[in-house]
Amino acid sequence: QQPVQSPQAVILREGEDAVINCSSSKALYSVHWYRQKHGEAPVFLMILLKGGEQKGHEKISASFNEKKQQSSLYLTASQLSYSGTYFCGTELQAGGTSYGKLTFGQGTILTVHP
Amino acid sequence: GAVVSQHPSRVICKSGTSVKIECRSLDFQATTMFWYRQFPKQSLMLMATSNEGSKATYEQGVEKDKFLINHASLTLSTLTVTSAHPEDSSFYICSARYRGRGYTNYGYTFGSGTRLTVV
Repeated sequence: QQPVQSPQAVILREGEDAVINCSSSKALYSVHWYRQKHGEAPVFLMILLKGGEQKGHEKISASFNEKKQQSSLYLTASQLSYSGTYFCGTELQAGGTSYGKLTFGQGTILTVHP
Repeated sequence: GAVVSQHPSRVICKSGTSVKIECRSLDFQATTMFWYRQFPKQSLMLMATSNEGSKATYEQGVEKDKFLINHASLTLSTLTVTSAHPEDSSFYICSARYRGRGYTNYGYTFGSGTRLTVV
């Protein structure tokens, strides 16, 4: 079951903030966030596990609302290097553990202009 | 740590020929590897799950006879696109689930991808 991401695209100026959302209709074990540059493999940003948590890495942070099966990625004070396509990957929950495979949302294209 | 090496990075082949893509885990043992396909401006779509020593599990709609997967060892999985056609042209990426120390220390690491062009 593919998670749903929104928005499909975001255009920012350097220094502006953005939020990317990811939601699932099924119970999630974990949410993984990746950024992909054109022609390259996805680069891991962070993982959030069931139980509801929030993580941060410099100016990029994320939250996972287990009750709503939703996750959000927060990008603050955006930099030119943040441009790319952001994907959330989800692991479905199976009896308290993971199904053990990652399914990706359709992606959010983030463009940061000077 | 948790590095996956994928080769080749780019391949051009003639229609009707077969192409093999290799994926190796360099510093860990990958009992399970995953193969994804990505068309331009689209998401990564899981094609199959490769299990060491057993048959691969294919996602719905993926032809198992066309996309042959072999996972003969704990560090190597291969994807062979048989009788390739132009519509098979895509970006193929392998992935492996790794686990480090601690409950939360795990994730999925990706190969660098293979750009397949069938002419």
